[in-house]
Amino acid sequence: AQSVTQLGSHVSVSEGALVLLRCNYSSSVPPYLFWYVQYPNQGLQLLLKYTSAATLVKGINGFEAEFKKSETSFHLTKPSAHMSDAAEYFCALLTGGYNKLIFGAGTRLAVHP
Amino acid sequence: DVKVTQSSRYLVKRTGEKVFLECVQDMDHENMFWYRQDPGLGLRLIYFSYDVKMKEKGDIPEGYSVSREKKERFSLILESASTNQTSMYLCASSFPLQGGTEAFFGQGTRLTVV
Repeated sequence: AQSVTQLGSHVSVSEGALVLLRCNYSSSVPPYLFWYVQYPNQGLQLLLKYTSAATLVKGINGFEAEFKKSETSFHLTKPSAHMSDAAEYFCALLTGGYNKLIFGAGTRLAVHP
Repeated sequence: DVKVTQSSRYLVKRTGEKVFLECVQDMDHENMFWYRQDPGLGLRLIYFSYDVKMKEKGDIPEGYSVSREKKERFSLILESASTNQTSMYLCASSFPLQGGTEAFFGQGTRLTVV
């Protein structure tokens, strides 16, 4: 069965520190993977996506993610956290059929001064 | 810019009421989706539609129905609202997602059933 697991429902970092949000997936076919961000009281916005063109994917706002097939992972990183990065982050996996997305439970990122 | 617009940001309804949540997209997308978002559970798919008048159940369709009479509009209907349907509802739309085309989301409707 296809699934997405995000390790850590809450992550807290200092401003300027490395951000690492973890995502593992399970898929019987080559996956398409996405990271979305949700700021308070808003909808979801695409950060980046993996579509098999390159294993290191760069997104908006300085985020990037590396696809590792051997580890079935797609972790999201940012070298230096900013206060404006405080939000909830969702990892998602594209399933077959009519193109449905399966989402992880989300990780809430807090950034403190 | 792609826009997915949900008709209400906040709604308060009474138990037993029939509730309509409306979603409109302006990008001629074939696919439209309704998700429910609850803390610790992420987003769960309620229903989706891949064409006008076509619909498919998602993972949690019980207590909900949908309507898609026009390509740009997708409505979620709570036939008889219950308190356990208090949640954030998110609408999304996309072209067919093969190849990783992204889904675009509306701002969400926070529904409270009292």
